[in-house]
Amino acid sequence: NAGVTQTPKFRILKIGQSMTLQCTQDMNHNYMYWYRQDPGMGLKLIYYSVGAGITDKGEVPNGYNVSRSTTEDFPLRLELAAPSQTSVYFCASRDNEQFFGPGTRLTVL
Amino acid sequence: GQQLNQSPQSMFIQEGEDVSMNCTSSSIFNTWLWYKQDPGEGPVLLIALYKAGELTSNGRLTAQFGITRKDSFLNISASIPSDVGIYFCAGQLTGTYKYIFGTGTRLKVLA
Repeated sequence: NAGVTQTPKFRILKIGQSMTLQCTQDMNHNYMYWYRQDPGMGLKLIYYSVGAGITDKGEVPNGYNVSRSTTEDFPLRLELAAPSQTSVYFCASRDNEQFFGPGTRLTVL
Repeated sequence: GQQLNQSPQSMFIQEGEDVSMNCTSSSIFNTWLWYKQDPGEGPVLLIALYKAGELTSNGRLTAQFGITRKDSFLNISASIPSDVGIYFCAGQLTGTYKYIFGTGTRLKVLA
């Protein structure tokens, strides 16, 4: 199993640009999560999904959108990038325990 | 938003020493998780706890789920240089699918 994979690893955006962060898991987990981690801080939940077709907001959803058309994929969309969205983004999936991807480091200039 | 209070924020210890860190919250959790994060990597699960009072070990690591379900601690015995990293606790809120993370304990081990 590859586990949880994320692409890209790094990205630089200009203010106002849009992009999609990809997340895929091959463990057939129903639950998937998106977090952001700011420097020196813990992880904050952006959105989560309990299964295909079902998504819900976490602590910090503003400026993001998600979709869950399949069990495997849970992409995170930024429509109008802002400097405040500069962060490291982690995707995770779980059965009993939560497993993380390697992260996407995003800089918005 | 909700937050777990994790302490200490950072620790500098000598190789071979034992380490203890803890997390407390005003909320009740039904699961506690402890993770380690190395620079540039995602968090890696160390120990999972599922019921109040549970004490679980993973090698030199031991963690406990507090009786009140509002706290947890992690101990590392006989620390080694590769224990360096940031340790996070995370709690699953009762009745939800959400996890709340602590702010992390940054551990440095001096050889």
